[in-house]
Amino acid sequence: GESVGLHLPTLSVQEGDNSIINCAYSNSASDYFIWYKQESGKGPQFIIDIRSNMDKRQGQRVTVLLNKTVKHLSLQIAATQPGDSAVYFCAEWSGGYQKVTFGTGTKLQVIP
Amino acid sequence: KAGVTQTPRYLIKTRGQQVTLSCSPISGHRSVSWYQQTPGQGLQFLFEYFSETQRNKGNFPGRFSGRQFSNSRSEMNVSTLELGDSALYLCASSLAPGDVSNEQFFGPGTRLTVL
Repeated sequence: GESVGLHLPTLSVQEGDNSIINCAYSNSASDYFIWYKQESGKGPQFIIDIRSNMDKRQGQRVTVLLNKTVKHLSLQIAATQPGDSAVYFCAEWSGGYQKVTFGTGTKLQVIP
Repeated sequence: KAGVTQTPRYLIKTRGQQVTLSCSPISGHRSVSWYQQTPGQGLQFLFEYFSETQRNKGNFPGRFSGRQFSNSRSEMNVSTLELGDSALYLCASSLAPGDVSNEQFFGPGTRLTVL
């Protein structure tokens, strides 16, 4: 069955440094991936997405990289700020319906 | 434009009881999905409604049910509550299903505690 997993449960980063959060998936047929940010007491918030026909997509301070060969994607946050402290989830879209399969999440802690 | 609202925000119930949670999607959004979030299992898809019809369902027992009204508001119901049902229940809305570009917007969730 399909699954989406994250390598590290917690990541501590110094303010101003770059953060890299990794995610592995098992379904080679997956064609769309999303990164979400969830702050304490809030629901997940869309950050950036990428389709399988791309290997890189950039947003504001964030970049997502997709390696279909090894079924791995990563989220890079440039110049990490205290407001980036949250749990980050990668998610796979199943297509056709509003079903999103989430990974277990990585907690990003920004050290001032 | 107001975001997704969920009521109540917090709820305490005892085993065996039943509970109903409510979700009001963003105005104009017709698709509503429900998720359960627990520390052990993470975020898991429950079901999705569009035009008052359940279009997709996750792997949850029949104790979990839902419905959608003509105004797109949705409710989910859990009957015969178990301790393991304690979780954050999240609702997400989008314009319509079937198009991967339709971003889902999540509400703040309802924190359910079963004693």
